[in-house]
Amino acid sequence: EAGVAQSPRYKIIEKRQSVAFWCNPISGHATLYWYQQILGQGPKLLIQFQNNGVVDDSQLPKDRFSAERLKGVDSTLKIQPAKLEDSAVYLCASSKGLAGGETQYFGPGTRLLVL
Amino acid sequence: AQSVTQPDIHITVSEGASLELRCNYSYGATPYLFWYVQSPGQGLQLLLKYFSGDTLVQGIKGFEAEFKRSQSSFNLRKPSVHWSDAAEYFCAVGALGGAQKLVFGQGTRLTINP
Repeated sequence: EAGVAQSPRYKIIEKRQSVAFWCNPISGHATLYWYQQILGQGPKLLIQFQNNGVVDDSQLPKDRFSAERLKGVDSTLKIQPAKLEDSAVYLCASSKGLAGGETQYFGPGTRLLVL
Repeated sequence: AQSVTQPDIHITVSEGASLELRCNYSYGATPYLFWYVQSPGQGLQLLLKYFSGDTLVQGIKGFEAEFKRSQSSFNLRKPSVHWSDAAEYFCAVGALGGAQKLVFGQGTRLTINP
């Protein structure tokens, strides 16, 4: 079974530029998550989708971050414009559903450096 | 709201020695508890999880964890570490029911001395 795929793996941009990350979850997984992991910290949930609907985006900085999952499968996360403090690893995860205790499977992440 | 504290930022043990990584959580009800491991440049891999039943949970790679409600703890243990266990370890808590939102601790970096 293929795991969660993410691209690109690395990205370097200047501040105020825009950037987009792509995630393809495990086949059949209805729930998709985007996490931000700043160096030295644990992952922090940015947004959670159930199929193509948003379940939780309470910690997404909506003035600059956006995410979509139009067909309920793959997803994109965009930052526009980027700030220095957005330098982090962006992790995508998926799970079969929303039930408590469901295992979340993580992709390798996209490492973003904003200069 | 739930929260997780991992008191040890960095731990160094010798290969073959036993290991215990500490995790304390805060949550008003019975939580779901997880331990994930992250190797350099990799995503997170689930080691084990607890959501009910036996408080001693067995996981992959020889790891186990014990849920202690009275201490709000979920410490990870391994009787004999291998050099390949060097990685970052994250404890996470999930809410019972509803949307599956995980809150992670800051992580413990494990270094293995040969």
